[in-house]
Amino acid sequence: DIVMTQTPLSLSVTPGQPASISCKSSQSLLHSDGKTYLYWYLQKPGQPPQLLIYEVSNRFSGVPDRFSGSGSGTDFTLKISRVEAEDVGVYYCMQSIQLPYTFGQGTKLEIK
Amino acid sequence: QVQLQESGPGLVKPSGTLSLTCAVSGGSISSSNWWSWIRQPPGKGLEWIGEIYHSGSTNYNPSLKSRVTISVDKSKNQFSLKLSSVTAADTAVYYCARNSDYDAFDIWGQGTMVTVSS
Repeated sequence: DIVMTQTPLSLSVTPGQPASISCKSSQSLLHSDGKTYLYWYLQKPGQPPQLLIYEVSNRFSGVPDRFSGSGSGTDFTLKISRVEAEDVGVYYCMQSIQLPYTFGQGTKLEIK
Repeated sequence: QVQLQESGPGLVKPSGTLSLTCAVSGGSISSSNWWSWIRQPPGKGLEWIGEIYHSGSTNYNPSLKSRVTISVDKSKNQFSLKLSSVTAADTAVYYCARNSDYDAFDIWGQGTMVTVSS
């Protein structure tokens, strides 16, 4: 299985300040079709996860532009340019280049 | 707008079989999507269980493969999960989800909590 490792596991951010989460995979997520199968989700308290970013850097429908994704190969980053109160929750990265799909451990974002 | 809704018993006895159904509304299960089950133990992360296509083709997580069966009922527009020989370690919120064209899970059910206990 591909192991997804996120850092940090928690962070506390002042509203309006930026935040960054790292995700590293144990194998390259770059497929021969040219796509990189790395995704980001946010699970708000009491809710199912919601898709934020697909294929490293593409914002899903309705996702605010303060969220951005970057990276390549095995190293990826999710950035929030200005954290808002509604961004609290647990962020997960996920790979789908190889079955079984696997998720990172999650990064809990709290507001100071 | 496609919506998913899980249903099934919230309590299962150890060594028994967990059975859940995911009803698809607002769209057809016979669309060009795979449909997945994912679980989350209390306070823990996400684990993909397996997926099914409307043709009946399936893929399972090897860690659960010997105990999992996912099936589809096109006439009812739903798919189901069976997990046998359950233990307390199978206690979790179980989600059904749609695999999008982006190979990610773009639509999720609200989840259903299943507790394994005598």
